[in-house]
Amino acid sequence: DTGVSQNPRHKITKRGQNVTFRCDPISEHNRLYWYRQTLGQGPEFLTYFQNEAQLEKSRLLSDRFSAERPKGSFSTLEIQRTEQGDSAMYLCASSFGIGTGDGYTFGSGTRLTVV
Amino acid sequence: GQQVMQIPQYQHVQEGEDFTTYCNSSTTLSNIQWYKQRPGGHPVFLIQLVKSGEVKKQKRLTFQFGEAKKNSSLHITATQTTDVGTYFCAGGNDYKLSFGAGTTVTVRA
Repeated sequence: DTGVSQNPRHKITKRGQNVTFRCDPISEHNRLYWYRQTLGQGPEFLTYFQNEAQLEKSRLLSDRFSAERPKGSFSTLEIQRTEQGDSAMYLCASSFGIGTGDGYTFGSGTRLTVV
Repeated sequence: GQQVMQIPQYQHVQEGEDFTTYCNSSTTLSNIQWYKQRPGGHPVFLIQLVKSGEVKKQKRLTFQFGEAKKNSSLHITATQTTDVGTYFCAGGNDYKLSFGAGTTVTVRA
């Protein structure tokens, strides 16, 4: 297992287009998270899955955002009708859970630029 | 909602010197984690603190969790150029971490 993998690494899209990102977590981890990071800021929580169940979704996530984790394996994050304000680094992370003493393992992220 | 604040935002350090970065929460935290993000990289987990007053060391790095579990600190001794990056604290519950804005460290050789 080489860690958390995210694809694509970079995405440039025109305003109004839909984009989809993929995350492959560490296979042993049952928890998967999506965060968004803009320049000079820490990661902001977007959503969380335990296995295939999406257990929490941030109020930051408008109806244009949707995430799935079919069969509790990889996850996708889709943004519909992209806006310039969606430009950011989208980070995926996985973990066993905070109680285990292990932190999150982040992927390298997908950098989205909306033009 | 829970907010985690970090100070200072920037830390310029002479190589060999020590420095400390601080993390404060508006609410009591069940745990706190620290991450390091190198320029152009992604956050990498450093450590988790759970107990009130807990102190943990990793080589030149010392992490502390406050008695009230509302603040934490990271102290680095004898700073090296490899310490360059942004250090984030993150406080959370069982499944969700709220990250601070980070302390960005630069080192003068």
